[in-house]
Amino acid sequence: DSGVTQTPKHLITATGQRVTLRCSPRSGDLSVYWYQQSLDQGLQFLIQYYNGEERAKGNILERFSAQQFPDLHSELNLSSLELGDSALYFCASSPGTAPSTDTQYFGPGTRLTVL
Amino acid sequence: AQSVSQHNHHVILSEAASLELGCNYSYGGTVNLFWYVQYPGQHLQLLLKYFSGDPLVKGIKGFEAEFIKSKFSFNLRKPSVQWSDTAEYFCAVFKAAGNKLTFGGGTRVLVKP
Repeated sequence: DSGVTQTPKHLITATGQRVTLRCSPRSGDLSVYWYQQSLDQGLQFLIQYYNGEERAKGNILERFSAQQFPDLHSELNLSSLELGDSALYFCASSPGTAPSTDTQYFGPGTRLTVL
Repeated sequence: AQSVSQHNHHVILSEAASLELGCNYSYGGTVNLFWYVQYPGQHLQLLLKYFSGDPLVKGIKGFEAEFIKSKFSFNLRKPSVQWSDTAEYFCAVFKAAGNKLTFGGGTRVLVKP
């Protein structure tokens, strides 16, 4: 158990809908990272938050947004869902702000299926 | 665009065999390198990482990796695998420009008992 929790584990929804994925980092970790893992794109970095502020952005679509709350949990919002958004969404956390050196601790993921 | 290549998508071997997984990246300059592993039904976890110094890095569970700068490679090795090493292995590279970790496509390793 990495100490990172994600809810829900599975989510099935329809095209055009909006969903929210939740992540609670390890105790004491200030950074949260979101990743998308799909068969064709592999594991791709979406966005990083550090202590409530956006720190780095990757291949995140405009239909997707995220935020980190004062209690450090984070939510990833996916809207106007398309079939291609079906994937496993991972959250990771680390103590500091440096993905260059910090070990990232990954959660179990949320499997999103868009029908 | 930066990329990380893991050329072997699937590897099948028997217990006690030696394992080497290739990882190559496509850009120069200073990089930090990682290997993560995902055991069946479990979360991704760090095996080892390299920032500087001795290019031969030792990680957990008997794994090691060697950074060869001239070849842009960071191959993972284990002299004698066990059935419990069955997992998917991901190489990841951090380059300051872009400020993100880029993962390779992963290699699924099946160790037959």
